[in-house]
Amino acid sequence: DVKVTQSSRYLVKRTGEKVFLECVQDMDHENMFWYRQDPGLGLRLIYFSYDVKMKEKGDIPEGYSVSREKKERFSLILESASTNQTSMYLCASSLSPRRGRSYNEQFFGPGTRLTVL
Amino acid sequence: RKEVEQDPGPFNVPEGATVAFNCTYSNSASQSFFWYRQDCRKEPKLLMSVYSSGNEDGRFTAQLNRASQYISLLIRDSKLSDSATYLCVVASEGNNRLAFGKGNQVVVIP
Repeated sequence: DVKVTQSSRYLVKRTGEKVFLECVQDMDHENMFWYRQDPGLGLRLIYFSYDVKMKEKGDIPEGYSVSREKKERFSLILESASTNQTSMYLCASSLSPRRGRSYNEQFFGPGTRLTVL
Repeated sequence: RKEVEQDPGPFNVPEGATVAFNCTYSNSASQSFFWYRQDCRKEPKLLMSVYSSGNEDGRFTAQLNRASQYISLLIRDSKLSDSATYLCVVASEGNNRLAFGKGNQVVVIP
């Protein structure tokens, strides 16, 4: 079974703090993703990475950065946390498309519920 | 226009009844379609892929209508354990990214 783990289930930080959210997957997946999920807004893509040291902006990258130094680990960084970054953060991973298959299932971690005070 | 649109509901369904809902997508180049299930306070998980010919998995049936750009999910003989949010998901050819709908919340009532 694919396993995607996230460093914390619940996190409380203060405005202005630097926040690191860590995600690790154990199935050698090339692609990793960071989403946030808010009531009424659904899942929104923040950043994704399709290879080590590669990153692409998603739909809402402002206020976030990412790091992918190793294939299995993808970190989300909030340089200076703000109250509007209070949310559920979900990490996911997937294999890259192969011949004859345009998409591979994304596997999600359990999520980190971040509260910024 | 949102890339994937769903009516959030909630859909209150008596146990044993059938419920169906649709999702529309805006990108006509979309190639892959899925339903994910998300239980309360849990992560989304793949429920089923949606093929052009439609597909069935037990009590769940998914259909794709490319001409009208919508996909549907039907749940027969609803169980209490079917209570969840069902996310419509769309991907384009060779694209690692997914577009998620906001989900259809289903509540099965005893």
